[in-house]
Amino acid sequence: VQLVESGGGLVQPGKSLKLSCSASGFTFSSYGMHWIRQAPGKGLDWVAYISSSSGTVYADAVKGRFTISRDNAKNTLYLQLNSLKSEDTAIYYCARIGKATPFDYWGQGVMVTVSS
Amino acid sequence: DIQMTQSPSFLSASVGDRVTINCKASQNINRYLNWYQQKLGEAPKLLIYNANSLQTGIPSRFSGSGSGTDFTLTISSLQPEDVATYFCLQHNSWPWTFGGGTKLELK
Repeated sequence: VQLVESGGGLVQPGKSLKLSCSASGFTFSSYGMHWIRQAPGKGLDWVAYISSSSGTVYADAVKGRFTISRDNAKNTLYLQLNSLKSEDTAIYYCARIGKATPFDYWGQGVMVTVSS
Repeated sequence: DIQMTQSPSFLSASVGDRVTINCKASQNINRYLNWYQQKLGEAPKLLIYNANSLQTGIPSRFSGSGSGTDFTLTISSLQPEDVATYFCLQHNSWPWTFGGGTKLELK
C-alpha cells in the first residue's frame, strides 16, 4: 500500500489549491479515504472523509470551503481548498480506512502555506 | 468533540528501557483507540489498533492496553529505531480526534 500526496505550495489568502493523493497497492475503489492535517507545532486534525460510494463528511472548520472527491479510474483522491485562510497552513495527509480500523495507511504529507 | 490528552509530551530514555506513553479520553471511548508512530519526514505508521491489537509487521516489543478513558502504549525494550513521535487516535465518536503527541528521544 502506498499513498503519495502532491499539489501543495505557497498560496495567498482567499485563493485556491487542489491536493492529490495517488494510491497504489490496493483496490482503491473499495476503500473510504480521509484527509487529515497538522498545523505547524500543533496536533493532528481530521479534515474530510469520502466513502467508497463517494459520500462525504467535513470538519466544521472547512465545511463550505473544501471539497473532497475521488477518481477511482485514476486511483486518486483529491482535496479542493478554496477561500484559503492563514489558519489552513498545515501539512495535509491522506489516509485510508482499513477493513479492521481507520487510518491504517497514511501518505507522507504535503505542505500548504497560506500567506501573503 | 472528545478530547484526547496524551502524556508525556516529551520523553528521553535509554536503549533497553521500558517506555510507557499514556492517552486519556474526555469520555468513554470503549476500546476504539489506535497508536501511531511517526518518524521525521515519514508517513505515520499504525502500531496498535482497538487498544491492544498489534498491527501486522510491528515488532512485539510494542503493546497497548486500556479501555474506557485510559490507555497506554508500552515499548518493552527501547531500540534506537524507535526514536519518533507517537500519537493516539480515538475512533469511537465522530469526529475522530488525536492526542497531542509524544516525542521520544534517546538519552
